[in-house]
Amino acid sequence: SQQGEEDPQALSIQEGENATMNCSYKTSINNLQWYRQNSGRGLVHLILIRSNEREKHSGRLRVTLDTSKKSSSLLITASRAADTASYFCATETGNQFYFGTGTSLTVIP
Amino acid sequence: GAGVSQTPSNKVTEKGKYVELRCDPISGHTALYWYRQSLGQGPEFLIYFQGTGAADDSGLPNDRFFAVRPEGSVSTLKIQRTERGDSAVYLCASSLSGAMNTEAFFGQGTRLTVV
Repeated sequence: SQQGEEDPQALSIQEGENATMNCSYKTSINNLQWYRQNSGRGLVHLILIRSNEREKHSGRLRVTLDTSKKSSSLLITASRAADTASYFCATETGNQFYFGTGTSLTVIP
Repeated sequence: GAGVSQTPSNKVTEKGKYVELRCDPISGHTALYWYRQSLGQGPEFLIYFQGTGAADDSGLPNDRFFAVRPEGSVSTLKIQRTERGDSAVYLCASSLSGAMNTEAFFGQGTRLTVV
């Protein structure tokens, strides 16, 4: 069963705006990872944040993790049309990666 | 190889038939995962291999599903007596060791349609 829940389920913004999506999870984790998926096929790894980290940056991506609230957020700054995709958080617990239900992001040119 | 390779990319089969889905992980990756993703959902864990052995198969939905990795590299997911509800994209991923805090690399998936 899936552990994570992304919020919102769908997000539509204008190019150049920032996009924020959130992920909540249920149990203790080793780390949390964000993935991007185009057209329902392969997932591309974006960023990994360890359970003892609170914030991490990678290019236009900023991820935060609050283990006390069991939540994470992904911020994409200065969005581009090419950022249009589904975004999933995945929590690593033991040997498994548990994925959330995803946020579908549409960036309008 | 350069990435995780899954074949076939698409498979249409009749209800009741047997299918095999293949995954070629990144060379040297000891950990291999199978996931299933239905439309509009996130990937759902099926099974995890560490080397040749299935370290965790708790996600396999029933005994019609079976996976092997006999030489610790290529893996085959086998589905017997397919049902329409098995229709989904089957994703394979590999990681270097399966240890904590390692990135998993995904293939493009096999889209299985049972008619």
